[in-house]
Amino acid sequence: GDSVTQMEGPVTLSEEACLTINCTYTATGYPSLFWYVQYPGEGLQLLLKATKADDKGSNKGFEATYRKETTSFHLEKGSVQVSDSAVYFCALSDRGGTSGSRLTFGEGTQLTVNP
Amino acid sequence: DTGVSQDPRHKITKRGQNVTFRCDPISEHNRLYWYRQTLGQGPEFLTYFQNEAQLEKSRLLSDRFSAERPKGSFSTLEIQRTEQGDSAMYLCASSPFGTSGSYEQYFGPGTRLTVT
Repeated sequence: GDSVTQMEGPVTLSEEACLTINCTYTATGYPSLFWYVQYPGEGLQLLLKATKADDKGSNKGFEATYRKETTSFHLEKGSVQVSDSAVYFCALSDRGGTSGSRLTFGEGTQLTVNP
Repeated sequence: DTGVSQDPRHKITKRGQNVTFRCDPISEHNRLYWYRQTLGQGPEFLTYFQNEAQLEKSRLLSDRFSAERPKGSFSTLEIQRTEQGDSAMYLCASSPFGTSGSYEQYFGPGTRLTVT
């Protein structure tokens, strides 16, 4: 079945450091890929998405590129802020973006940014 | 657009009791999803509806769990004879559905269930 694997956490960085959270997936067909963020005490929020190979999703300074050849969707940010402290989840939609179906999530990566 | 809402936000119950949660999706969204999230894990899919039809159920959804969406608007998730292993955050999400484009899911704040 479909699965998503994220790098083990937690990750602790200093403000303005570079961030990379690795995400790889296994899926049949051509899934859509997502990054969700969960701030303390809040629900999941969509951070960015990509629906086909080589697409780059971006939002709030975060980026991720859909790499079909390596089945990866790594999350990157050039300069993190204290306000980026949260749990980040990589996810895939198994039927692709046009039909929309269940999401399969990774285990999440806790990011803490210190001033 | 008030977003996806869930009620209650927290529920503490004793083992063996029945509980029911409610989810109100974004009004124009015809797909509604339920997920379960345990501490330190990512959400796991339980079931989803398109309008009032329940289209898919996970093997995680045992016979003690039932979900309904009677008029294609709000949905309820009932757990009968609760067990301590049912303690988790129950998340609801909604999305539009159509023939083109990508339809991301919007999540509610969740209902945290504690079974004592």
